Amino acid sequence: DAGVIQSPRHEVTEMGQEVTLRCKPISGHDYLFWYRQTMMRGLELLIYFNNNVPIDDSGMPEDRFSAKMPNASFSTLKIQPSEPRDSAVYFCASSPSGPFMNTEAFFGQGTRLTVV
Amino acid sequence: GEDVEQSLFLSVREGDSSVINCTYTDSSSTYLYWYKQEPGAGLQLLTYIFSNMDMKQDQRLTVLLNKKDKHLSLRIADTQTGDSAIYFCAEIGSSNTGKLIFGQGTTLQVKP
Repeated sequence: DAGVIQSPRHEVTEMGQEVTLRCKPISGHDYLFWYRQTMMRGLELLIYFNNNVPIDDSGMPEDRFSAKMPNASFSTLKIQPSEPRDSAVYFCASSPSGPFMNTEAFFGQGTRLTVV
Repeated sequence: GEDVEQSLFLSVREGDSSVINCTYTDSSSTYLYWYKQEPGAGLQLLTYIFSNMDMKQDQRLTVLLNKKDKHLSLRIADTQTGDSAIYFCAEIGSSNTGKLIFGQGTTLQVKP
């Protein structure tokens, strides 16, 4: 397996534009996580899915952020409209295990988003 | 609530030992993890410890767990310049959902 695949690796967009980040988890993994990393706030969990169902979206900063997982092999994180403070590295991760088991999360390479 | 705290920065000389510390609040955590993030890359699992253990050794890495104080540490022996990275402590939350709670990360700088 190629690991967790995120696209694009880099995205530069203008304020107000819609941005869509994509993630392909490792095949067979039940959990998918979206994280955001900034210098100021560190690594923040935005939302995660279990078997394609959103479990906890309490980390999503605003209604401008939305995430979907239409099937087990694909997820998107959308920001509409984007703002400069959304600039960050966005990571997708997937995990094969369930609760109270050794849950190693495998991370993608991240998408570096710059909103100008 | 669930919270994980780490110091933000550590600088050591090549060949010395590094100790990165972490405290957590959820006493029901069953697994605790150390992840490493190299520049421009995602996080990779370094090692983990089950909560009924107090020590785990893996080559140059030693993990110590003090459940009473909710304190976790990662010791890297004979630190090399290639160990320069951000190290994240993480725990499984008690909400029984597989959610990983990460600390802010400790930047380890290794000077030659």
